Amino acid sequence: AQSVTQLGSHVSVSEGALVLLRCNYSSSVPPYLFWYVQYPNQGLQLLLKYTTGATLVKGINGFEAEFKKSETSFHLTKPSAHMSDAAEYFCATSFGYKLSFGAGTTVTVRA
Amino acid sequence: GAVVSQHPSWVICKSGTSVKIECRSLDFQATTMFWYRQFPKQSLMLMATSNEGSKATYEQGVEKDKFLINHASLTLSTLTVTSAHPEDSSFYICSALYRSRDTYEQYFGPGTRLTVT
Repeated sequence: AQSVTQLGSHVSVSEGALVLLRCNYSSSVPPYLFWYVQYPNQGLQLLLKYTTGATLVKGINGFEAEFKKSETSFHLTKPSAHMSDAAEYFCATSFGYKLSFGAGTTVTVRA
Repeated sequence: GAVVSQHPSWVICKSGTSVKIECRSLDFQATTMFWYRQFPKQSLMLMATSNEGSKATYEQGVEKDKFLINHASLTLSTLTVTSAHPEDSSFYICSALYRSRDTYEQYFGPGTRLTVT
């Protein structure tokens, strides 16, 4: 069964610094992969997704992720953190139409 | 992007009562909706898949008689927590599946905070 593992439950970065959130997947078939962001007491918003094609995926708010089959990874990055990036981030994979989420990574941004 | 609403955004109820949560897709039709549960500081757990005009499909370990799901129209799914107990207190999130010829995506509602006293 498809699943994802997020490495690091909490990441703290300085404003302006690189944001790197790690996600590894396990799948017997080429996966669909997603990154979502959740602000406190809110639902999820899709940042980006990989289905097929180009392995470097650009999303909203300056985020991007690269699908690396050799490393079974789909890490999320943003070159320069902003205070508004403080939130919970979830990596997910799909099986059919269903989504399976990682445990989540909390991002805090220091001024 | 597509918009999904939930009502209410928060609810407090007494133990033993039932609570209904609505999930609406506002600008598209969704034959499939999903219900998730999220405990504090944890990930989302899929509870069930709601299919318009047919019975919901529940994930393993989810009590279908406790969490009643009705998907009576293409824009509305409801989750009723029956005989609620304090352990049912949680954040419930729905999503609606948008499908086009080339792609599909789940759009999430803002969630409903349920507190059972």
